Amino acid sequence: DTGVSQDPRHKITKRGQNVTFRCDPISEHNRLYWYRQTLGQGPEFLTYFQNEAQLEKSRLLSDRFSAERPKGSFSTLEIQRTEQGDSAMYLCASSYPPGLAIETQYFGPGTRLLVL
Amino acid sequence: GESVGLHLPTLSVQEGDNSIINCAYSNSASDYFIWYKQESGKGPQFIIDIRSNMDKRQGQRVTVLLNKTVKHLSLQIAATQPGDSAVYFCAENRSSASKIIFGSGTRLSIRP
Repeated sequence: DTGVSQDPRHKITKRGQNVTFRCDPISEHNRLYWYRQTLGQGPEFLTYFQNEAQLEKSRLLSDRFSAERPKGSFSTLEIQRTEQGDSAMYLCASSYPPGLAIETQYFGPGTRLLVL
Repeated sequence: GESVGLHLPTLSVQEGDNSIINCAYSNSASDYFIWYKQESGKGPQFIIDIRSNMDKRQGQRVTVLLNKTVKHLSLQIAATQPGDSAVYFCAENRSSASKIIFGSGTRLSIRP
């Protein structure tokens, strides 16, 4: 399977703990996105990278959140001092902007986080 | 402001019938629109997209219609099958911004 992969698929943690999620994009894709999805809602944009550069961050991404993509391949999303409100599905997507054509983002299976 | 909304939260369709899922958007600056399908426990799966300068696009068993006059988007699924059961999201994007803005979703259920 050469799609977007995410690890772990599920994470249960206690409030105040730090968690880190990993995303491996489709290999030739140079753009990588993080979204958050709460129950019954559509995904909400958090941040995105082009290669290793983080180009945009949503105001949803508080200072407890940090994302990296050090080598322009996989990315990590860390949440420090987790709160119950952080419980959600964290989705990663990747794309390869094809010039004038529409850029299609392909999503991974997500990491479901539950903060107790 | 930006918003992409859906007319109905749930839709129940008889197996074999056609399904029509509707979506309204408010941002006239959107360059293209995308439909995603999300099954339980999985990430959104790309179905079909359409540029804002088009009014219809067809794929395999799916058709997307875009009416810019009333800012309305629809997804038609022909001969609905049990495997079509999922939540369907419409989403919009602009060439000047890479993020996708999603609506809240319509759950499609299939009656045998």
